[in-house]
Amino acid sequence: AQSVTQLGSHVSVSEGALVLLRCNYSSSVPPYLFWYVQYPNQGLQLLLKYTSAATLVKGINGFEAEFKKSETSFHLTKPSAHMSDAAEYFCAVIPNSGYSTLTFGKGTMLLVSP
Amino acid sequence: NAGVTQTPKFRVLKTGQSMTLLCAQDMNHEYMYWYRQDPGMGLRLIHYSVGEGTTAKGEVPDGYNVSRLKKQNFLLGLESAAPSQTSVYFCASRDWTGRDGYTFGSGTRLTVV
Repeated sequence: AQSVTQLGSHVSVSEGALVLLRCNYSSSVPPYLFWYVQYPNQGLQLLLKYTSAATLVKGINGFEAEFKKSETSFHLTKPSAHMSDAAEYFCAVIPNSGYSTLTFGKGTMLLVSP
Repeated sequence: NAGVTQTPKFRVLKTGQSMTLLCAQDMNHEYMYWYRQDPGMGLRLIHYSVGEGTTAKGEVPDGYNVSRLKKQNFLLGLESAAPSQTSVYFCASRDWTGRDGYTFGSGTRLTVV
């Protein structure tokens, strides 16, 4: 069975600071990995995805994530936080197309202060 | 615009009442899902479907029923609503490869009083 662990239910940064949201996964086969963002009172929006091409993946709004197989990690980063980045972020994994459902992490709330 | 549409967006029910939430997608996706989201609990899978006419139980199926009579629609029913079913409900869909992850609807906020 696969699982996803997001370290830290809340992460606080100052505007302009580096954003780092951590995600570790377990999967018995090379996975597809995703980050979703949820703004208040909205649905989840795909931020970026890894599907076995380049290990460094760029997404929307300046975010990127690096797949590290040896560390079973897929951490999300952004060099400079903006107030509009305040939202909840979810990491998700699906081992491959043979699986029916994604497994989601519990989510990390990103707080950005001026 | 292509995507997943949920109706209604808001609903207040009295305990014991029934209702149906509708999810419609226009991307010809095979797989469809219903999740509930509660504070501190993340997303929990209620039921899902891997194709027209098929359904399967997820993590928290009790008190809910689903139907997928048409490929583009996935209905979630509450036969006798309980306050514990107060939540935000999200529908999602994906194609058979899974490479693009899920596309989510904007959610239905349900309050049971």
